Amino acid sequence: NAGVTQTPKFQVLKTGQSMTLQCAQDMNHNSMYWYRQDPGMGLRLIYYSASEGTTDKGEVPNGYNVSRLNKREFSLRLESAAPSQTSVYFCASRAGTGDEQYFGPGTRLTVT
Amino acid sequence: LAKTTQPISMDSYEGQEVNITCSHNNIATNDYITWYQQFPSQGPRFIIQGYKTKVTNEVASLFIPADRKSSTLSLPRVSLSDTAVYYCLVGPDYKLSFGAGTTVTVRA
Repeated sequence: NAGVTQTPKFQVLKTGQSMTLQCAQDMNHNSMYWYRQDPGMGLRLIYYSASEGTTDKGEVPNGYNVSRLNKREFSLRLESAAPSQTSVYFCASRAGTGDEQYFGPGTRLTVT
Repeated sequence: LAKTTQPISMDSYEGQEVNITCSHNNIATNDYITWYQQFPSQGPRFIIQGYKTKVTNEVASLFIPADRKSSTLSLPRVSLSDTAVYYCLVGPDYKLSFGAGTTVTVRA
């Protein structure tokens, strides 16, 4: 099993450009998450999907949109990138409430 | 959501035991306590989870007093490879953000 995979690993964008970060899991997990981690900080929740077909805002949703394409895939879209969105983005999944989260390797995004 | 407080950093030496205490005064009845470990340039990794008393696995032990207002993660006989950030999370809730965590540095 690959676990949680993320693409791309690195990306550089100019201010105002758009892009979609992809995340997929092969563990048949119900819940999926997107976090951002700024240098020296903890992870902040952007959006989550408790189950296929549902999405909800986390702590820092402004400037982002998400799509739970199917049970395996959960994408994060930046419509108009800003320098403040420079960060490392982690996707995670878990089977259900109270279960441990499994994290992907992260996407390092720089917006100039 | 239960707010957690843990030390910003701790230093240790190889072979010592490291204990990290997390305070969570307003923990709810149905909240679990979960610890994650994060190495540089990697996503966090689950270490241990508990509800009350003591839980032990091959990596760590988790001590939870009766009032559950705090918990202590114990890492026995640490090595250089245990240098990482350790996060304490409370709750089964989906809306979990990780705080700054505790940076543990193990020296030779």
